[in-house]
Order: sequence, then structure tokens, then C-alpha cells
Amino acid sequence: EAQVTQNPRYLITVTGKKLTVTCSQNMNHEYMSWYRQDPGLGLRQIYYSMNVEVTDKGDVPEGYKVSRKEKRNFPLILESPSPNQTSLYFCASMLSGTGNTEAFFGQGTRLTVV
Amino acid sequence: KNEVEQSPQNLTAQEGEFITINCSYSVGISALHWLQQHPGGGIVSLFMLSSGKKKHGRLIATINIQEKHSSLHITASHPRDSAVYICAVRPSNSNSGYALNFGKGTSLLVTP
Repeated sequence: EAQVTQNPRYLITVTGKKLTVTCSQNMNHEYMSWYRQDPGLGLRQIYYSMNVEVTDKGDVPEGYKVSRKEKRNFPLILESPSPNQTSLYFCASMLSGTGNTEAFFGQGTRLTVV
Repeated sequence: KNEVEQSPQNLTAQEGEFITINCSYSVGISALHWLQQHPGGGIVSLFMLSSGKKKHGRLIATINIQEKHSSLHITASHPRDSAVYICAVRPSNSNSGYALNFGKGTSLLVTP
């Protein structure tokens, strides 16, 4: 089954404690991206990757890092989480970073930073 | 920047009603996506459109590129259609990969 898998689904952590949210897709997609969803603001792009070892900032990259060492995985790293990063996070993938292709989203990770 | 506007923001309907959700955008686009998000759940892609009309079961999506407008219709609505529906566009002048601009969503509640 084609899917994007995020882990964990729920996470409560303390300010400053480094964490990683994993994202994996099984569709051999080139393009992957991370979004955060906040009430009243909708979905906003954090980082994206056009292919292995190719990553770039989205609209709200501050406080986040990503890496793309393998095609299937695109982890989101918060080196020093702060309460303003409390949000619902989604990973998404598409076949290609160019052209019009369907988007596949993970189930979301609800992060609370206290 | 919010180049994508959805209406209505909230919608309550009775089971069986015909529902329309609208999406207007202000930039030239190469594609428009309709997404569905159930409470506590992930996001599912319903349609991707670049022109015309698509149908899947009771769902119909249309787009008018000249008027920069798209609609999502649900026929014979059912309580399981209750969800947030999100419109997203890919600007045609985007130089940041497949960047999507999202509307804020329409929250639909269908009552029995």
C-alpha cells in the first residue's frame, strides 16, 4: 500500500530537548516536504527536498533542520524546541518536484513543547 | 501571503443535502488540489485539477482557470463526510519546487 509514515504520532517534550520526527515513503517519490498546521494559519511549508541530498527552506524554516540521505526518508529535526513550535506537523511526498502530481500526506505528528 | 481563500469557513448540513465548497485564488496556477482532513486524522488527497472537472463517487471538483475559482461538490452528503476540506494551489511561477499554497480550510459537519 502506497503510504507516507510519520513517527511518532504524538509527542510531548520540554524546551531545549532535541527531537526528531521521522518520515518515510514507499513510493520512490523524489519530492518530500514538511508542513506545520496551526489554528487560523493553515498549513505552512517548513522545508522541502527535491531529491536525495537536495533540500531547501520553505516559508517557516526557523528552528528546524532536515536531511535527505536516502530517497525514502526525510526526518525533521528540532535541535532546541521551543513552545512556539507546538503544532501539528505533516510530511508529504510527490512523485516529482516538477510537473503536476498527486500529493500524499502522512498521518501527522502532534507536538507539544512545554 | 494568503493567495487562497475558501468559503464558507464552516458549514453544517443535513444528511442527503448537496454541498458546495468554494476556493478562489489570486495567482496563476499550474494545479489545484482538494484535500480532506478528518478530526485527529491525516490528510488525504481527493483531487488534483489543472482544468475542467473530475468526479470520484459522490465528490465532484471543478475549476475555472480564467476566473481563478474552483468548487468541490458533495452529492447526497453523509455524516462520514464530516471533515475539514482544504484547497491548495501550485503557483505557476513557483521557483521553490512543488510549493503549495493552502487555504485555511472549510469545516463541514453533516448531521443525521
